[in-house]
Parts: sequence; structure tokens; C-alpha cells
Amino acid sequence: AQSVTQLDSQVPVFEEAPVELRCNYSSSVSVYLFWYVQYPNQGLQLLLKYLSGSTLVKGINGFEAEFNKSQTSFHLRKPSVHISDTAEYFCAVSDFLYGTSYGKLTFGQGTILTVHP
Amino acid sequence: DTAVSQTPKYLVTQMGNDKSIKCEQNLGHDTMYWYKQDSKKFLKIMFSYNNKELIINETVPNRFSPKSPDKAHLNLHINSLELGDSAVYFCASSQKGGDSYNEQFFGPGTRLTVL
Repeated sequence: AQSVTQLDSQVPVFEEAPVELRCNYSSSVSVYLFWYVQYPNQGLQLLLKYLSGSTLVKGINGFEAEFNKSQTSFHLRKPSVHISDTAEYFCAVSDFLYGTSYGKLTFGQGTILTVHP
Repeated sequence: DTAVSQTPKYLVTQMGNDKSIKCEQNLGHDTMYWYKQDSKKFLKIMFSYNNKELIINETVPNRFSPKSPDKAHLNLHINSLELGDSAVYFCASSQKGGDSYNEQFFGPGTRLTVL
């Protein structure tokens, strides 16, 4: 079984400031890690994913995230946010059993990022 | 071209009614999912089908019955609707890999309101 905890339910920030959205996970098996963004009244869009390899992954819209296995974290960062980044962000994990991939996504509770002018 | 589409986008109905939500994907994927997002925005998987076979069935009341007539479609039928069923339901699809994970693409969601 796996779980995901997003440590902040809301993050207000001013435009052009840096932002970090925190995510911790727990799992008894190897996992893949994801960040999704949901704009108001829309579906989910994949921002970035960690499958293997380099622990620093870059995604769309200038976002990046770092996988830290020892701390079981996958925090999302952006060095300078825009008004258009205002949305809800979801961290998710997917179980991975060697030889099969069930692809079941377990989501965190979401973090609402509000960018103020 | 819409990759994953859902109909209807909004559904308002009375308690006790039976309703269906349809999902179609034109990505050629072989795996489809239903997720429920409650009023607190918490997203939870309900079902997953791979090649029309049920592979994930979370603890969901048996009033919910998914049906996959073919790989491109996964419908969700809900009997005897209750107030607690009010939520946004998202469909998603992916291509089930061997040792690798493949991205899930989400539909726009269906907002169900039970009165």
C-alpha cells in the first residue's frame, strides 16, 4: 500500500517569487512519482514525472522536482511564478511491480497555489 | 482533437435515479480508469480496465458498475444515486507497459450533482 502527503493545502505567493510545493510519500514497493496540475474547472495535466535516472526532473511551464529517496520526498519547485500558475497541484505515486505495471495512481490531497500580482 | 472525452460534462439528478457517464479515448490505449474527486478535491481511483478486463476494483459500492464494450470506451453506470455520490468523475487512459510506466491522460471530468 502507498500513501501521499502534501504538506501544504494552500500556498500564496507573489508573482516572480520562487515557490516550493512539498510532497512526501510512503510505499513498500518501488514507485513512480508524478506532479499533476488542475486549472479551475479542467481535468488534470501532467507536469512532470520521475521514473528512474536523474533525481532532478524538469517538466512543463518551468517546473522541476527532486526525488529524494532517503527522505521519501518529491518536492515541486519553480524559481519564478506567474499569475497563470494559479491552480491546484497534485502529487501522485504509482506502484510498480517488476514485470508488470498496474498504473494505479494514488494522489495527495492537493495544494492550491495562488499567485498574487 | 480530443484525446479523452467524457459525456456529459454536467449531470444533475435526483436521489434514487440511475445514470451513466461515458468515456472515450482516441489515443489507441489499452487501459482506462475511473477516478472520483470529492468536494474536498481528493482524488481516488475507482476502477481500471485493461483490454476490456477489470484489473483494479477499489472499495466501491456495487451500485457503481463499469462497462468496457471495447478498448476505446469505458462507461460508468450508477444505480440508486445517493447524495454522497456528488463529485467530479474523471476518466483516464494509458498504454499498459511491460516494465515501464506509461502516462495517464485525463478527460475533462463529469460533475455529478445529486439532489
